[in-house]
Amino acid sequence: DVKVTQSSRYLVKRTGEKVFLECVQDMDHENMFWYRQDPGLGLRLIYFSYDVKMKEKGDIPEGYSVSREKKERFSLILESASTNQTSMYLCASSSPPPGQGSETQYFGPGTRLLVL
Amino acid sequence: AQSVSQHNHHVILSEAASLELGCNYSYGGTVNLFWYVQYPGQHLQLLLKYFSGDPLVKGIKGFEAEFIKSKFSFNLRKPSVQWSDTAEYFCAVNSYNDYKLSFGAGTTVTVRA
Repeated sequence: DVKVTQSSRYLVKRTGEKVFLECVQDMDHENMFWYRQDPGLGLRLIYFSYDVKMKEKGDIPEGYSVSREKKERFSLILESASTNQTSMYLCASSSPPPGQGSETQYFGPGTRLLVL
Repeated sequence: AQSVSQHNHHVILSEAASLELGCNYSYGGTVNLFWYVQYPGQHLQLLLKYFSGDPLVKGIKGFEAEFIKSKFSFNLRKPSVQWSDTAEYFCAVNSYNDYKLSFGAGTTVTVRA
């Protein structure tokens, strides 16, 4: 079974803090994704990575950055957290490599972040 | 990017009732289509997907979906729901050769025993 784990289930931070959300997958997947999930808006892609040290912006990258130093780990960074970044953050991974697009994405349990 | 519309925000029905959730997308080219489900307290998981072949796709737990290209639709159906089908359902689309998914806003389904 594919397993995608996220470092925290719940996180409370203060405005202006730097926040790290970590995601690890154990299936040697090439692709990894960060989404945020908000009621009435569904899932929106923040960043994705199709290889180590490679990253591309998704639909809402402003205020976020990412790091992928190892294939199994993909980190989302909020450089200076703001209240409008309060949300559920979901990590996902998929395989095979890009070029087909029909592969299933496997999701982690999510991190619910509250920024005060 | 494609846009994905899910017509119902919240559906409430009784056990054994039939369920149909609408999904329409905006992209005119070749697409891959997905339905994901999130049961209370669980991970988002794949229910079914379409990428080629028979437009009627069968998934887990008795769900099926039909791709109607002329209508840009991929509606999800289940003939007889159970209380355990209570969940949030998301339709998602990507264009062929693009692994970025566009998700709909989701439909919350509540099944009353």
